[in-house]
Amino acid sequence: AQSVTQLDSQVPVFEEAPVELRCNYSSSVSVYLFWYVQYPNQGLQLLLKYLSGSTLVKGINGFEAEFNKSQTSFHLRKPSVHISDTAEYFCAVISGGSYIPTFGRGTSLIVHP
Amino acid sequence: DSGVTQTPKHLITATGQRVTLRCSPRSGDLSVYWYQQSLDQGLQFLIQYYNGEERAKGNILERFSAQQFPDLHSELNLSSLELGDSALYFCASSEGTSGWQFFGPGTRLTVL
Repeated sequence: AQSVTQLDSQVPVFEEAPVELRCNYSSSVSVYLFWYVQYPNQGLQLLLKYLSGSTLVKGINGFEAEFNKSQTSFHLRKPSVHISDTAEYFCAVISGGSYIPTFGRGTSLIVHP
Repeated sequence: DSGVTQTPKHLITATGQRVTLRCSPRSGDLSVYWYQQSLDQGLQFLIQYYNGEERAKGNILERFSAQQFPDLHSELNLSSLELGDSALYFCASSEGTSGWQFFGPGTRLTVL
Protein backbone atom coordinates (compact mmCIF):
# COMPACT_ATOMS: atom_id res chain seq x y z
CA ALA A 1 0.00 0.00 0.00
CA GLN A 2 1.16 3.49 -0.72
CA SER A 3 1.44 6.13 1.95
CA VAL A 4 2.81 9.64 2.29
CA THR A 5 4.34 11.30 5.31
CA GLN A 6 4.76 15.03 5.52
CA LEU A 7 7.06 15.40 8.46
CA ASP A 8 6.19 18.96 9.40
CA SER A 9 2.65 20.10 10.04
CA GLN A 10 3.74 23.73 10.14
CA VAL A 11 6.80 25.57 8.80
CA PRO A 12 7.24 29.23 9.77
CA VAL A 13 9.81 31.20 7.79
CA PHE A 14 10.72 34.82 7.15
CA GLU A 15 10.19 36.45 3.79
CA GLU A 16 13.06 35.99 1.31
CA ALA A 17 14.44 33.05 3.28
CA PRO A 18 14.80 29.60 1.67
CA VAL A 19 12.37 26.84 2.61
CA GLU A 20 12.17 23.08 2.33
CA LEU A 21 8.97 21.12 2.90
CA ARG A 22 9.62 17.45 3.49
CA CYS A 23 7.74 14.53 1.99
CA ASN A 24 8.49 10.82 2.30
CA TYR A 25 6.54 8.06 0.64
CA SER A 26 6.38 4.32 1.07
CA SER A 27 6.13 2.19 -2.01
CA SER A 28 8.26 -0.57 -3.39
CA VAL A 29 7.35 0.02 -7.00
CA SER A 30 7.55 2.87 -9.44
CA VAL A 31 5.86 6.05 -8.33
CA TYR A 32 4.37 9.23 -9.61
CA LEU A 33 4.76 12.12 -7.19
CA PHE A 34 2.96 15.43 -6.90
CA TRP A 35 2.93 18.60 -4.87
CA TYR A 36 -0.26 20.60 -4.59
CA VAL A 37 -0.82 24.00 -2.98
CA GLN A 38 -4.02 25.14 -1.32
CA TYR A 39 -4.47 28.85 -0.68
CA PRO A 40 -6.99 29.90 1.97
CA ASN A 41 -10.57 29.18 0.94
CA GLN A 42 -9.52 27.67 -2.37
CA GLY A 43 -9.14 24.26 -3.95
CA LEU A 44 -5.87 22.43 -4.51
CA GLN A 45 -3.65 23.56 -7.37
CA LEU A 46 -0.96 21.41 -8.94
CA LEU A 47 2.48 22.85 -8.17
CA LEU A 48 4.66 20.25 -9.86
CA LYS A 49 4.83 16.57 -10.70
CA TYR A 50 7.38 13.81 -11.17
CA LEU A 51 6.42 11.09 -13.61
CA SER A 52 9.81 9.94 -14.93
CA GLY A 53 13.10 11.27 -16.22
CA SER A 54 15.07 13.99 -14.48
CA THR A 55 14.86 13.75 -10.72
CA LEU A 56 14.84 17.53 -10.33
CA VAL A 57 11.43 18.89 -11.18
CA LYS A 58 10.62 22.55 -11.57
CA GLY A 59 7.15 23.85 -10.92
CA ILE A 60 5.21 27.07 -10.83
CA ASN A 61 5.96 30.07 -8.62
CA GLY A 62 9.68 29.22 -8.36
CA PHE A 63 9.22 25.93 -6.54
CA GLU A 64 11.20 22.79 -7.31
CA ALA A 65 11.36 19.29 -5.91
CA GLU A 66 13.86 16.47 -6.07
CA PHE A 67 12.92 12.82 -6.35
CA ASN A 68 15.27 10.67 -4.31
CA LYS A 69 14.51 7.00 -4.83
CA SER A 70 17.01 5.67 -2.29
CA GLN A 71 15.58 7.85 0.45
CA THR A 72 11.99 7.60 -0.84
CA SER A 73 11.66 11.34 -0.59
CA PHE A 74 10.27 14.16 -2.69
CA HIS A 75 11.09 17.35 -0.81
CA LEU A 76 9.81 20.70 -2.04
CA ARG A 77 12.13 23.70 -2.05
CA LYS A 78 12.10 27.38 -2.84
CA PRO A 79 15.23 29.57 -2.56
CA SER A 80 13.38 32.72 -1.53
CA VAL A 81 9.79 32.79 -0.30
CA HIS A 82 7.23 35.57 -0.50
CA ILE A 83 4.35 36.46 1.78
CA SER A 84 2.03 35.21 -0.97
CA ASP A 85 3.47 31.69 -0.60
CA THR A 86 1.64 31.33 2.70
CA ALA A 87 -0.59 28.31 2.08
CA GLU A 88 -1.09 24.63 2.77
CA TYR A 89 1.09 22.28 0.75
CA PHE A 90 0.19 18.67 0.03
CA CYS A 91 2.42 15.90 -1.23
CA ALA A 92 0.73 13.02 -3.09
CA VAL A 93 1.81 9.68 -4.55
CA ILE A 94 0.43 7.26 -7.10
CA SER A 95 2.18 3.91 -7.24
CA GLY A 96 1.90 0.34 -8.37
CA GLY A 97 -1.51 -0.81 -9.45
CA SER A 98 -3.28 2.09 -7.80
CA TYR A 99 -4.30 5.03 -9.91
CA ILE A 100 -5.75 7.04 -7.06
CA PRO A 101 -3.34 9.44 -5.34
CA THR A 102 -2.72 9.20 -1.64
CA PHE A 103 -2.26 12.61 -0.06
CA GLY A 104 -0.18 13.56 2.92
CA ARG A 105 -1.72 15.46 5.83
CA GLY A 106 -0.33 18.73 4.52
CA THR A 107 2.25 21.27 5.68
CA SER A 108 1.21 24.77 6.52
CA LEU A 109 3.82 27.23 5.24
CA ILE A 110 3.64 30.52 7.12
CA VAL A 111 5.75 33.33 5.70
CA HIS A 112 6.40 36.22 8.08
CA PRO A 113 7.42 39.72 6.94
CA ASP B 1 -9.03 28.84 -12.39
CA SER B 2 -8.73 25.08 -12.81
CA GLY B 3 -11.74 24.75 -15.10
CA VAL B 4 -13.54 22.50 -12.59
CA THR B 5 -16.71 24.03 -11.18
CA GLN B 6 -18.59 23.06 -8.06
CA THR B 7 -21.93 24.20 -6.72
CA PRO B 8 -22.95 25.33 -4.23
CA LYS B 9 -19.98 27.02 -2.55
CA HIS B 10 -21.56 26.80 0.87
CA LEU B 11 -24.30 24.60 2.25
CA ILE B 12 -25.79 24.71 5.73
CA THR B 13 -28.24 22.03 6.72
CA ALA B 14 -29.49 20.05 9.70
CA THR B 15 -28.76 16.56 10.93
CA GLY B 16 -30.77 13.87 9.21
CA GLN B 17 -31.14 15.84 6.01
CA ARG B 18 -29.99 14.98 2.50
CA VAL B 19 -27.96 17.20 0.17
CA THR B 20 -26.59 17.02 -3.36
CA LEU B 21 -23.27 18.50 -4.42
CA ARG B 22 -22.60 19.11 -8.06
CA CYS B 23 -19.39 19.11 -10.09
CA SER B 24 -18.56 19.88 -13.70
CA PRO B 25 -15.15 18.64 -14.83
CA ARG B 26 -12.71 20.45 -17.11
CA SER B 27 -13.58 20.30 -20.75
CA GLY B 28 -12.28 17.00 -22.16
CA ASP B 29 -11.72 15.32 -18.80
CA LEU B 30 -13.47 11.99 -18.43
CA SER B 31 -12.61 11.20 -14.80
CA VAL B 32 -14.21 12.81 -11.80
CA TYR B 33 -13.01 12.26 -8.24
CA TRP B 34 -14.65 13.25 -4.97
CA TYR B 35 -12.71 14.04 -1.81
CA GLN B 36 -13.63 15.03 1.71
CA GLN B 37 -11.33 17.37 3.60
CA SER B 38 -11.67 17.77 7.34
CA LEU B 39 -9.31 18.94 10.05
CA ASP B 40 -9.05 15.58 11.76
CA GLN B 41 -9.01 13.29 8.71
CA GLY B 42 -7.14 15.37 6.17
CA LEU B 43 -7.91 14.86 2.49
CA GLN B 44 -9.79 11.59 2.01
CA PHE B 45 -10.59 10.06 -1.35
CA LEU B 46 -14.24 9.06 -1.63
CA ILE B 47 -14.97 7.82 -5.13
CA GLN B 48 -13.97 8.06 -8.79
CA TYR B 49 -16.05 7.91 -11.94
CA TYR B 50 -14.67 7.51 -15.43
CA ASN B 51 -16.88 8.19 -18.42
CA GLY B 52 -20.02 7.41 -16.48
CA GLU B 53 -18.81 4.28 -14.73
CA GLU B 54 -17.65 3.89 -11.15
CA ARG B 55 -13.91 3.30 -11.30
CA ALA B 56 -12.62 3.28 -7.75
CA LYS B 57 -14.00 3.53 -4.26
CA GLY B 58 -12.28 4.93 -1.22
CA ASN B 59 -13.51 5.73 2.26
CA ILE B 60 -17.05 6.49 1.22
CA LEU B 61 -19.83 5.86 3.71
CA GLU B 62 -22.91 3.89 2.71
CA ARG B 63 -24.96 7.03 3.36
CA PHE B 64 -23.09 8.69 0.52
CA SER B 65 -23.48 7.95 -3.15
CA ALA B 66 -22.40 9.50 -6.40
CA GLN B 67 -23.02 9.30 -10.10
CA GLN B 68 -21.64 10.70 -13.32
CA PHE B 69 -24.05 11.70 -16.04
CA PRO B 70 -23.71 11.41 -19.84
CA ASP B 71 -22.59 15.03 -20.05
CA LEU B 72 -19.84 14.02 -17.57
CA HIS B 73 -20.94 16.21 -14.70
CA SER B 74 -21.14 14.43 -11.39
CA GLU B 75 -23.24 14.64 -8.26
CA LEU B 76 -22.40 13.52 -4.75
CA ASN B 77 -25.42 12.70 -2.61
CA LEU B 78 -25.07 12.78 1.16
CA SER B 79 -27.97 11.49 3.22
CA SER B 80 -28.90 11.07 6.89
CA LEU B 81 -26.38 13.78 7.60
CA GLU B 82 -24.48 13.81 10.88
CA LEU B 83 -22.51 16.56 12.58
CA GLY B 84 -19.31 14.76 11.62
CA ASP B 85 -20.10 15.12 7.92
CA SER B 86 -19.30 18.82 8.15
CA ALA B 87 -16.29 19.28 5.89
CA LEU B 88 -15.03 20.65 2.61
CA TYR B 89 -15.96 18.45 -0.33
CA PHE B 90 -13.76 18.71 -3.37
CA CYS B 91 -14.28 17.46 -6.85
CA ALA B 92 -11.31 16.90 -9.15
CA SER B 93 -11.03 15.80 -12.74
CA SER B 94 -8.43 14.26 -15.00
CA GLU B 95 -8.26 13.39 -18.64
CA GLY B 96 -7.73 9.66 -18.18
CA THR B 97 -8.19 7.14 -15.45
CA SER B 98 -5.21 8.33 -13.43
CA GLY B 99 -2.57 10.99 -13.29
CA TRP B 100 -2.61 14.49 -12.05
CA GLN B 101 -5.89 16.02 -11.14
CA PHE B 102 -7.41 19.47 -11.35
CA PHE B 103 -9.41 20.47 -8.32
CA GLY B 104 -12.54 22.53 -8.03
CA PRO B 105 -12.95 25.27 -5.40
CA GLY B 106 -14.90 22.97 -3.10
CA THR B 107 -18.24 22.98 -1.33
CA ARG B 108 -18.22 23.76 2.37
CA LEU B 109 -20.89 21.69 4.09
CA THR B 110 -21.98 22.62 7.60
CA VAL B 111 -24.34 20.26 9.41
CA LEU B 112 -26.01 21.81 12.44
